[in-house]
Amino acid sequence: SAVISQKPSRDICQRGTSLTIQCQVDSQVTMMFWYRQQPGQSLTLIATANQGSEATYESGFVIDKFPISRPNLTFSTLTVSNMSPEDSSIYLCSVEPRGSSYNEQFFGPGTRLTVL
Amino acid sequence: GQQVMQIPQYQHVQEGEDFTTYCNSSTTLSNIQWYKQRPGGHPVFLIQLVKSGEVKKQKRLTFQFGEAKKNSSLHITATQTTDVGTYFCAGSGGAGSYQLTFGKGTKLSVIP
Repeated sequence: SAVISQKPSRDICQRGTSLTIQCQVDSQVTMMFWYRQQPGQSLTLIATANQGSEATYESGFVIDKFPISRPNLTFSTLTVSNMSPEDSSIYLCSVEPRGSSYNEQFFGPGTRLTVL
Repeated sequence: GQQVMQIPQYQHVQEGEDFTTYCNSSTTLSNIQWYKQRPGGHPVFLIQLVKSGEVKKQKRLTFQFGEAKKNSSLHITATQTTDVGTYFCAGSGGAGSYQLTFGKGTKLSVIP
């Protein structure tokens, strides 16, 4: 298993500003992912955070809007840039631990973002 | 791209009744996973199914993977108030694919 923490847990931001969300894991993991979950909705994969290389973005998500860093095997950040109210959502990071029997993902507690 | 449909969207049951949620993929899956998300919480892994026709049980929960590996179901027998939450299926594509496509989830309410 893996224990994941996220900062901040929630924030209220003004339109046009940017917010950086941090994800810290208690063990080294190869795979880290960033998801968005709008209230009452499903999870949508934003990107896979690759250590030592650029993140891999899913259709509909671009690096300019959601830059991601992955400086090592236990940490990643997601920035939500030039925010608009449509970016209000819960942002979750997840990891796939090394050596697990399944390729299940463990999720962080999420960051609840409100953009005014 | 891969799409995963899940029904029903909501289910209200009396405590003690059974509950089933169904998941259907537009493409053949290499495996399917199930997650539970309690209100205000984050998704928690329940199980993974890999083999065609596989059936797995966890106490009152029974998970099935279809023969064609395109559909799956989760059945809860004799629901309890602790079962409240949203149940998501998540499909994984071809061999070596680590990305999950989540269904929309089924929100279960249990009336005591």
